[in-house]
Amino acid sequence: NAGVMQNPRHLVRRRGQEARLRCSPMKGHSHVYWYRQLPEEGLKFMVYLQKENIIDESGMPKERFSAEFPKEGPSILRIQQVVRGDSAAYFCASSPGVEGNEQFFGPGTRLTVL
Amino acid sequence: DAKTTQPPSMDCAEGRAANLPCNHSTISGNEYVYWYRQIHSQGPQYIIHGLKNNETNEMASLIITEDRKSSTLILPHATLRDTAVYYCIVRGGLSGNTPLVFGKGTRLSVIA
Repeated sequence: NAGVMQNPRHLVRRRGQEARLRCSPMKGHSHVYWYRQLPEEGLKFMVYLQKENIIDESGMPKERFSAEFPKEGPSILRIQQVVRGDSAAYFCASSPGVEGNEQFFGPGTRLTVL
Repeated sequence: DAKTTQPPSMDCAEGRAANLPCNHSTISGNEYVYWYRQIHSQGPQYIIHGLKNNETNEMASLIITEDRKSSTLILPHATLRDTAVYYCIVRGGLSGNTPLVFGKGTRLSVIA
């Protein structure tokens, strides 16, 4: 049973470009969460999605960031017009949605903005 | 903000038990205690969780006090590969899909 998959593992972008981060949840999991870890800091929640729905986006910056989890395919975290402060590790987690159930994390995407 | 308090760092000799404490004095009756760890820069790894009873799995044991205001994660025989940051997280049960709120955790160093 494959775990949570994220790609790319490393992404380099220049300021002003777009970054697209992909997350494929574990088989049978319909809940996806995105977290961000800035250098030398802890993990911060960004957004929680179920298939085709955003449930909680309280941790998402109001501008330039968006997320989706379509009926088919992976969840996508999109960052438009990246700035140097967006450089971080972005982790995706999935869960089956059962009460009290744990989240399983992917290996992360390390975004570097030049 | 995280609802837990953990010591910033601990050392443990290889082969000995590592006991990591966590205070969660404001925990609600329907909230679970979760433990995760992050080895270097990898994705966080789930360890164990519990509500009120002590729990054990192949990785660790979780001891929750009777008043549920604190808990201890026990790694029975620590190895060098257990060196990581350990996070104690309190999370709602009735809305069990709430996001995880990570604090600063405890940096455990296992020493040969």
